[in-house]
Amino acid sequence: EAGVAQSPRYKIIEKRQSVAFWCNPISGHATLYWYQQILGQGPKLLIQFQNNGVVDDSQLPKDRFSAERLKGVDSTLKIQPAKLEDSAVYLCASSHTHSSTDTQYFGPGTRLTVL
Amino acid sequence: QKEVEQNSGPLSVPEGAIASLNCTYSDRGSQSFFWYRQYSGKSPELIMFIYSNGDKEDGRFTAQLNKASQYVSLLIRDSQPSDSATYLCAVRTGGAGSYQLTFGKGTKLSVIP
Repeated sequence: EAGVAQSPRYKIIEKRQSVAFWCNPISGHATLYWYQQILGQGPKLLIQFQNNGVVDDSQLPKDRFSAERLKGVDSTLKIQPAKLEDSAVYLCASSHTHSSTDTQYFGPGTRLTVL
Repeated sequence: QKEVEQNSGPLSVPEGAIASLNCTYSDRGSQSFFWYRQYSGKSPELIMFIYSNGDKEDGRFTAQLNKASQYVSLLIRDSQPSDSATYLCAVRTGGAGSYQLTFGKGTKLSVIP
């Protein structure tokens, strides 16, 4: 079974530029998550989708971050414009269901550096 | 504000010893608890989860949960150098349709050969 796919793996941009990350979850997984992991910290949930609907985006900085999962499969996370503090690893995860004990599987992440 | 606290470490143990990793959480409504391992430059991978008070064993790993004390731990027996990694404690809260996973900052474990 293929894992969660993400691209690109690395991205370097200058502040005020825009960037987009792509994620393809494990086949059949209805729930998709985007996390931000700053160096030395644990992952922080940005947004959570159930199929193509948003379940939780309370920690998403909506003035600059946006995400979509139009067909309920793959997803795109965008930052526009980027700030220095957005430098982090952006992790995508997916799970089969949305139950309290369901396992989340993480992709390899995209390491973003904002100069 | 839901908080998950872990000692950042580093925690150093000799090869073959027991490593004990601890985690406390603030939300009494938390339902399930996860331990992830993250090697440097890699993404988190699930080791095990627990949702009932007591112990749960899986190979060399044992998770312990005490909901009254809001405390969860992970024991690694017969520690190996390959266990050297950051261990993330994650706590799930919320209700049906809106579960959230909150991570601690992680504890860095070094197993010395």
